[in-house]
Amino acid sequence: SQQGEEDPQALSIQEGENATMNCSYKTSINNLQWYRQNSGRGLVHLILIRSNEREKHSGRLRVTLDTSKKSSSLLITASRAADTASYFCATYWNNDMRFGAGTRLTVKP
Amino acid sequence: DGGITQSPKYLFRKEGQNVTLSCEQNLNHDAMYWYRQDPGQGLRLIYYSQIVNDFQKGDIAEGYSVSREKKESFPLTVTSAQKNPTAFYLCASTTASYNEQFFGPGTRLTVL
Repeated sequence: SQQGEEDPQALSIQEGENATMNCSYKTSINNLQWYRQNSGRGLVHLILIRSNEREKHSGRLRVTLDTSKKSSSLLITASRAADTASYFCATYWNNDMRFGAGTRLTVKP
Repeated sequence: DGGITQSPKYLFRKEGQNVTLSCEQNLNHDAMYWYRQDPGQGLRLIYYSQIVNDFQKGDIAEGYSVSREKKESFPLTVTSAQKNPTAFYLCASTTASYNEQFFGPGTRLTVL
């Protein structure tokens, strides 16, 4: 069964705008990871945040984690048309990795 | 070039046939995974292997089988017992189960 649930399911923005995607989960976690998938391709790892971390940055990506609310958010700043893809959160707990259903992001040029 | 490869990219299966999807990695990773992805959905775990000659069932193992005779290879067989096999299949590997997973490009299986 899936652990994370992304919100929104789909997001459409203009190039240059920021995109925020949210992930909620139900159980404890050791870490939470975000992945990107271009249409018809494999997933690519973007960033990992551990359960004792609250925020992490990587280039134009900012991830936050609130373990009390069991939620995480992924912010992509200054979006580009090339950011168009599906984004998945994945939670890791006790040798078990679970993926959500993803947010489909469309960035219009 | 280090990476994880899957073949074929597209596969067509007739009713009642078994087919085998290939997954090879040269990353020296111990753990390997097979996922199934249906349109508009996330990934569901079929099987995983932490070491050679050992593997465990995931959430949707029925109708599938795997082997792990070599560290580099983790083939998945979709048997005739799998009633709805049309899907996108992804293989992944990782150094340790809590680390980032590296994914192959996927195999799209269609039942004719």
